[in-house]
Amino acid sequence: DTAVSQTPKYLVTQMGNDKSIKCEQNLGHDTMYWYKQDSKKFLKIMFSYNNKELIINETVPNRFSPKSPDKAHLNLHINSLELGDSAVYFCASSRRGLNEKLFFGSGTQLSVL
Amino acid sequence: GDSVTQMEGPVTLSEEAFLTINCTYTATGYPSLFWYVQYPGEGLQLLLKATKADDKGSNKGFEATYRKETTSFHLEKGSVQVSDSAVYFCALIMMNRDDKIIFGKGTRLHILP
Repeated sequence: DTAVSQTPKYLVTQMGNDKSIKCEQNLGHDTMYWYKQDSKKFLKIMFSYNNKELIINETVPNRFSPKSPDKAHLNLHINSLELGDSAVYFCASSRRGLNEKLFFGSGTQLSVL
Repeated sequence: GDSVTQMEGPVTLSEEAFLTINCTYTATGYPSLFWYVQYPGEGLQLLLKATKADDKGSNKGFEATYRKETTSFHLEKGSVQVSDSAVYFCALIMMNRDDKIIFGKGTRLHILP
């Protein structure tokens, strides 16, 4: 049973499109995150939600909007995709905030053409 | 598929003790290897990396050597400090394949004063 699952694993789309990446965790964790793996292979935090409430919102374009319908789900919606959005996006969760160990999904590779 | 296995811990040591966190990998090819660190209350940071066999990555007193013959990338530090208390993630990337980070499950390290 996958603890943190995100879909799709691969997403290829045209510039200007709107797309979503879904994430679900079955660990009963309170906190969920979106990370972006940049071109240098570093991971940067984008958003964090705790019990459906936004608690971290790093400097990310407004075209990126997280949505948390319940504490087990944190979806990432991206409007008007740009070439520079091509990256791998990781969902993660922790029991309660960043003091607890992160559990990662397997990543979604987004390619914008 | 490609994978990373690391001791899950928690690992508890006294200050100034010698640290080893084991990490082994399985990959069809020659991955780049990384150690990431998650300090309490913070997101992930890249600690060190090695991109080919026999390379040694080092940072903040931590070292890890890419051992192709044993498919390992063990993290070591000669004298740990309380401030080293964190979660450490071993990871690999198959460059020029899908470039997606594959994480180990993370090792929590507690350093006692």
